Amino acid sequence: DTGVSQDPRHKITKRGQNVTFRCDPISEHNRLYWYRQTLGQGPEFLTYFQNEAQLEKSRLLSDRFSAERPKGSFSTLEIQHTEQGDSAMYLCASSLNRAKNIQYFGAGTRLSVL
Amino acid sequence: KNEVEQSPQNLTAQEGEFITINCSYSVGISALHWLQQHPGGGIVSLFMLSSGKKKHGRLIATINIQEKHSSLHITASHPRDSAVYICAVRTSGGGADGLTFGKGTHLIIQP
Repeated sequence: DTGVSQDPRHKITKRGQNVTFRCDPISEHNRLYWYRQTLGQGPEFLTYFQNEAQLEKSRLLSDRFSAERPKGSFSTLEIQHTEQGDSAMYLCASSLNRAKNIQYFGAGTRLSVL
Repeated sequence: KNEVEQSPQNLTAQEGEFITINCSYSVGISALHWLQQHPGGGIVSLFMLSSGKKKHGRLIATINIQEKHSSLHITASHPRDSAVYICAVRTSGGGADGLTFGKGTHLIIQP
């Protein structure tokens, strides 16, 4: 257990539905990252936050994807109007700061879109 | 061409063998990470390197900044080392702060 929690661990949804995933980082970590990993590939960076500020979102895969970290603690990743191609593992990681950028990963949320 | 390339993609070895996994990258970096991923998704950070060499137990990681190359070595390999080993880089010069990952090396150590 790295201390980063993700919920749910698995999500099965029908195409067209909206889904939201939650990540609780290690409490003193001010940086939080979202990644997506498809089968047989390495993780792919989506977005990250420093405290409540979203500093990079151009890597989000489409405008159906959005992320928030309203109080600088937990974060949510929402996918609207899900498509079958969204099926993947969604990983969250947190780190203390840029200089000590050891990222601690959660176990991920596996999304299956039917 | 991916910015981070790993080799081999798959590696099967016998218990006790010395293992080397290679990572080459094509961008300027400020740090390189080696991570381990077990079935089910859990990713654990093994090393973060910006120069030289680091050792932790039976694991050794080296990086050559000039050649844009890093290696992960496992000495006296054991079946519990079986996992996917992933190389990831943080690019230098600002911009997105997330890591760029290789596709991973799937290692199986047979007893």
